[in-house]
Amino acid sequence: KQEVTQIPAALSVPEGENLVLNCSFTDSAIYNLQWFRQDPGKGLTSLLLIQSSQREQTSGRLNASLDKSSGRSTLYIAASQPGDSATYLCAVIPAGGTSYGKLTFGQGTILTVHP
Amino acid sequence: NAGVMQNPRHLVRRRGQEARLRCSPMKGHSHVYWYRQLPEEGLKFMVYLQKENIIDESGMPKERFSAEFPKEGPSILRIQQVVRGDSAAYFCASSMDLLETQYFGPGTRLLVL
Repeated sequence: KQEVTQIPAALSVPEGENLVLNCSFTDSAIYNLQWFRQDPGKGLTSLLLIQSSQREQTSGRLNASLDKSSGRSTLYIAASQPGDSATYLCAVIPAGGTSYGKLTFGQGTILTVHP
Repeated sequence: NAGVMQNPRHLVRRRGQEARLRCSPMKGHSHVYWYRQLPEEGLKFMVYLQKENIIDESGMPKERFSAEFPKEGPSILRIQQVVRGDSAAYFCASSMDLLETQYFGPGTRLLVL
């Protein structure tokens, strides 16, 4: 059974710092990995999707890497801003005929960027 | 192109009542997923539907819960005889095709008194 773990559970940094969020998954057989952002009381916003054949994806100040063989992904946020404060979720789609694209989520990392 | 719509955003029910949660996928999307986020827990998959078909309901409790995605209209997640443990945020996501990016709605927050 696929399990996704995110470390740290919470992170507080001053504005301007570069930071790394970690995600690990127990079964390397995945179709893809997706990073989301969730603001309090709101839905999820997709940030980056990495296919299993890819090593990284970039969008603006965000860079996500994937090492499928070791079951790890990192989300790098450059020059953090207070507006980046949110919960960041990592999710994988397990490979296999019965996965049907359903996402398996980690517990999330609560990020606070203070001015 | 409007995003995924869910209504109501907040729903309060007393124990034993029924709850109906609606989800309208993005235009052109025929794949719908429902997830549940219990307090202090992560998001868990419940059910995956395509138009008029339930494809995978392995994450949905076998009793009291049902889902549908009719040919016309939104997808509906129905919870009969709600209990306090059903209090959670229920999210719907849609995608254009299997394994494509899933786009999430704002969620319905159900509170059972």
